[in-house]
Amino acid sequence: GQNIDQPTEMTATEGAIVQINCTYQTSGFNGLFWYQQHAGEAPTFLSYNVLDGLEEKGRFSSFLSRSKGYSYLLLKELQMKDSASYLCAVNGAAGNKLTFGGGTRVLVKP
Amino acid sequence: DVKVTQSSRYLVKRTGEKVFLECVQDMDHENMFWYRQDPGLGLRLIYFSYDVKMKEKGDIPEGYSVSREKKERFSLILESASTNQTSMYLCASGLDNSGNTIYFGEGSWLTVV
Repeated sequence: GQNIDQPTEMTATEGAIVQINCTYQTSGFNGLFWYQQHAGEAPTFLSYNVLDGLEEKGRFSSFLSRSKGYSYLLLKELQMKDSASYLCAVNGAAGNKLTFGGGTRVLVKP
Repeated sequence: DVKVTQSSRYLVKRTGEKVFLECVQDMDHENMFWYRQDPGLGLRLIYFSYDVKMKEKGDIPEGYSVSREKKERFSLILESASTNQTSMYLCASGLDNSGNTIYFGEGSWLTVV
């Protein structure tokens, strides 16, 4: 089976840094994705990791450790518009399909 | 830009009605997906399709069926809607082993009364 865990909610201050952790147990692994979802909208792609290490994209970075079944999304220089849910998703072994974690709601306060 | 279009944004249906949710993508993607999203439960995969006329059950297929007669179109069917199918339904297309992501439609908010 597939199991993906991430915290339900996090709060941070504008300008600060927040790290959202994701742990996964899947029957196979073809990559891990992070998505951002604002309330009432569809998820949008943020990052993709398939090899161990850090991928940096502007204010957002994502890290993967396959041996630990662990990833994190790092949001730097937080802005109010970063208040959203962040979804971790794994492409498992059985063909191409994504299994999602429950999402982490991030609230950025002034 | 990739476009995934869901035919209905908001629907209200009665218990027992047959409901069709249509999804069209314009990127010639082979893979298409239907998810539902509920508070506290995240996105859960209902059905997916790798090719025309091909379908695979996801994690929660009960009470749903799908149709893929053309590559660009993937329909979700609720044969007899029930109140526990009130949810937001998201169609998506794309995804492969090269790291290409899936792209979501805007979502269809279904209320069954």
